[in-house]
This record gives sequence, structure tokens and C-alpha cells, in this order.
Amino acid sequence: GQQVMQIPQYQHVQEGEDFTTYCNSSTTLSNIQWYKQRPGGHPVFLIQLVKSGEVKKQKRLTFQFGEAKKNSSLHITATQTTDVGTYFCAGRKTTDSWGKLQFGAGTQVVVTP
Amino acid sequence: GAVVSQHPSWVICKSGTSVKIECRSLDFQATTMFWYRQFPKQSLMLMATSNEGSKATYEQGVEKDKFLINHASLTLSTLTVTSAHPEDSSFYICSARDPAGGSYIQYFGAGTRLSVL
Repeated sequence: GQQVMQIPQYQHVQEGEDFTTYCNSSTTLSNIQWYKQRPGGHPVFLIQLVKSGEVKKQKRLTFQFGEAKKNSSLHITATQTTDVGTYFCAGRKTTDSWGKLQFGAGTQVVVTP
Repeated sequence: GAVVSQHPSWVICKSGTSVKIECRSLDFQATTMFWYRQFPKQSLMLMATSNEGSKATYEQGVEKDKFLINHASLTLSTLTVTSAHPEDSSFYICSARDPAGGSYIQYFGAGTRLSVL
């Protein structure tokens, strides 16, 4: 079954509000990546987290990697209509050498003006 | 940045015919490429890992004789859906790993929407 769980599946946000999407793995990950897919589009790489406890920011987006390297979160502040899309986390197992990623189910974000 | 081109973007074919999808890394050499299938409003399902010069590794449940993958060069991988049937209709996306600096980041093509009549 799916080894990378992501919640929530849907997120309906008023413009200007904050929200967080969470990602949990059943196994320790080598790294975790986040992608954004706009409606009708393809996944676009956002960021990669490698170190335990790592926190990275991209403008209004804050990404965290858990201390145990089994969970991650994406927090978006002051949501804008341009944030619409589905956000996927994708983890790489420590045993993998090819770069295979296990994708979460994604969080579909809808923003109301 | 790394660019991956996927062609065609949309294809309609008759049941029983074969369809070839190309995935090219335009500005880097991709020793490893990946093929995914995505159903509407669902996540990406990895079909196979394609390594240049060797046979592809298929995920459990994916028919290798149905979905032929060839990675003949460091910049090109192809997926051929053989004897396509309506249940093969889906969004197929390729990605390529840019190994520069030991990175495991995947760069995605724009995807191919396959409709089998």
C-alpha cells in the first residue's frame, strides 16, 4: 500500500488565510521533495529537504523535515489565488539508489477570493 | 533550469493500436528516467524506472509487455503502449533525474493525455 501518507486531501482556503499540509512516511526517508501541480499541468519541483529537522522558506512557503526524517510539512501563509493547485510530497527511501520517489496522495488546494 | 520535453501532449487512437510517447531531457543527461500514470484527481503512480542502456524496472502490477520502455540514450526514453484499450486511457507523465551534484530531484515533462476509442 501507499507508504507516504498526506493530509488533508482537500483544503479550501479563504484568500489571506494560512494552511498546512502534512506528510508522513512509514519508513525513514533519505530526503523528501515537494511538488506543485496546477490544474491541467504537470508536477513542478518546489524544494528538497535532506537534513533532520531542516526548515526551508520560499517567500510565503515554509517547509519542514521532521527530526526522525519520517514526516514533513508545508505551511503557506497569506494564501493567494496563485497558490491554487495540488501539492505533493515525495519521499526517497534510504535504500534507494536510483532516485525513486514515493508520492503522497496530494493536497488539492482551492482558494476563495 | 532542467527542462524535460514530452511528446505528444495529446493522442487519440483506436483500440488495438500502439502509441509511442517520447521523453527528452533537453539541457542535461539523464541516466535515469521515470514513467508515471495519473488518474484524474489522484496521485502519480510510478510505472517503471528507466536506466540508460539497460532494461527498465517495472513496478508490481505493471505489464512490461504492455508498456514497453526504451532508454536508448542519455537524453531520450520512450514508452510504447502496445495494443491499447480504453482502460489504458490516462495521463502519462515522464520525469528525468538530473544527477548533477548527486541530486535526486526529478524534473517532469508536460505529460501525455491518451484517449483510446
